[in-house]
Amino acid sequence: AQSVAQPEDQVNVAEGNPLTVKCTYSVSGNPYLFWYVQYPNRGLQFLLKYITGDNLVKGSYGFEAEFNKSQTSFHLKKPSALVSDSALYFCAVRVNYGGATNKLIFGTGTLLAVQP
Amino acid sequence: NAGVTQTPKFQVLKTGQSMTLQCAQDMNHNSMYWYRQDPGMGLRLIYYSASEGTTDKGEVPNGYNVSRLNKREFSLRLESAAPSQTSVYFCASMAGQGGMGNQPQHFGDGTRLSIL
Repeated sequence: AQSVAQPEDQVNVAEGNPLTVKCTYSVSGNPYLFWYVQYPNRGLQFLLKYITGDNLVKGSYGFEAEFNKSQTSFHLKKPSALVSDSALYFCAVRVNYGGATNKLIFGTGTLLAVQP
Repeated sequence: NAGVTQTPKFQVLKTGQSMTLQCAQDMNHNSMYWYRQDPGMGLRLIYYSASEGTTDKGEVPNGYNVSRLNKREFSLRLESAAPSQTSVYFCASMAGQGGMGNQPQHFGDGTRLSIL
């Protein structure tokens, strides 16, 4: 079965420290991977994606993610966390069922809490 | 630049009542999606429309119907609301279809629905 896993419900980090939010996936074929962020009472906002090419992908707000095919992982990272980064983060993988049918499978989300 | 607009933002219904959630996008996107978000479960796909004139079931379609009214609008209807349908509902749209599924989805800010 095709799936995405975010093993941590919550990640706590001090402001200024590096952060990592973990994601692993299971899909057939080459994966298209995405990270989204959700602030309170808002919809999801796109952060970055991996389609092909360099394993290190840079995105919005200073975030980056590292694609690791052998470990089937796509962890989200930031060198120096800000309090304003506190939000809910979702990893997602695109699944294609042929033709025009493209859907995203989402992980269950990881709440990032950055302490001042 | 409105993006994806959902109405209403909040709604309280009694069991058995019906209602329609509205969604409109102004980005000329082909694909549109309805998700529900429940604590600890991430986002689950209810229905989607890969292009104007087509709709298909997602992961959790029971108790819902959809209409792709035109390219801009994609509505979700609850015919007979049940407490299990209490959730936050998100509409999303995406450019392209088929092999262009590497584009990010754009989300509305959600409709918070409570069924008593």
